[in-house]
Amino acid sequence: GAVVSQHPSWVICKSGTSVKIECRSLDFQATTMFWYRQFPKQSLMLMATSNEGSKATYEQGVEKDKFLINHASLTLSTLTVTSAHPEDSSFYICSAGKLVGGETQYFGPGTRLLVL
Amino acid sequence: GENVEQHPSTLSVQEGDSAVIKCTYSDSASNYFPWYKQELGKRPQLIIDIRSNVGEKKDQRIAVTLNKTAKHFSLHITETQPEDSAVYFCASHYGGSQGNLIFGKGTKLSVKP
Repeated sequence: GAVVSQHPSWVICKSGTSVKIECRSLDFQATTMFWYRQFPKQSLMLMATSNEGSKATYEQGVEKDKFLINHASLTLSTLTVTSAHPEDSSFYICSAGKLVGGETQYFGPGTRLLVL
Repeated sequence: GENVEQHPSTLSVQEGDSAVIKCTYSDSASNYFPWYKQELGKRPQLIIDIRSNVGEKKDQRIAVTLNKTAKHFSLHITETQPEDSAVYFCASHYGGSQGNLIFGKGTKLSVKP
């Protein structure tokens, strides 16, 4: 199998607070984990790529001090949205890469963030 | 950098008809092309994929074709059913084992009963 969980599934927070999202690969060790952001009716926008034990690689335009990524183990990566503002409200989805003759990405269920 | 174009953006078919979604990519080094289905509010789910050493792959009602020379690949769904209604994303993967997926903008497929 290739099951990826994400927690929480939704969160509402006040402006200025920080929110942590966890992404876990449940039945395999992920070589790489990816964090995406998705706006309504739009495609998936890659935010960053993370490998266990090393610093994440951020896409152009994504603030690394705003979106902190920690990849503590081969099965867990976390995304922390620091000092959240209403414009950070979005659907955040992680994926975990599994080597199946090459790397295939399996997605978590997503976290819907609403910043008031 | 890599760019993936996907067409059409919306597609409406009658139940039982076939649906075809096409994507083009720009980087000739791209070597892996997955297709994901995303239902409203849910995660994208991998439905089929193809690697650059293969020209066609089929899984029941779903097939994918790849033309490396023209740098385009297509998803074919036959005998469509209402539960096929969703947004479909193509993607192109490059850069080795830790390369990223570049997604198309998606196609909203509606299958009318």
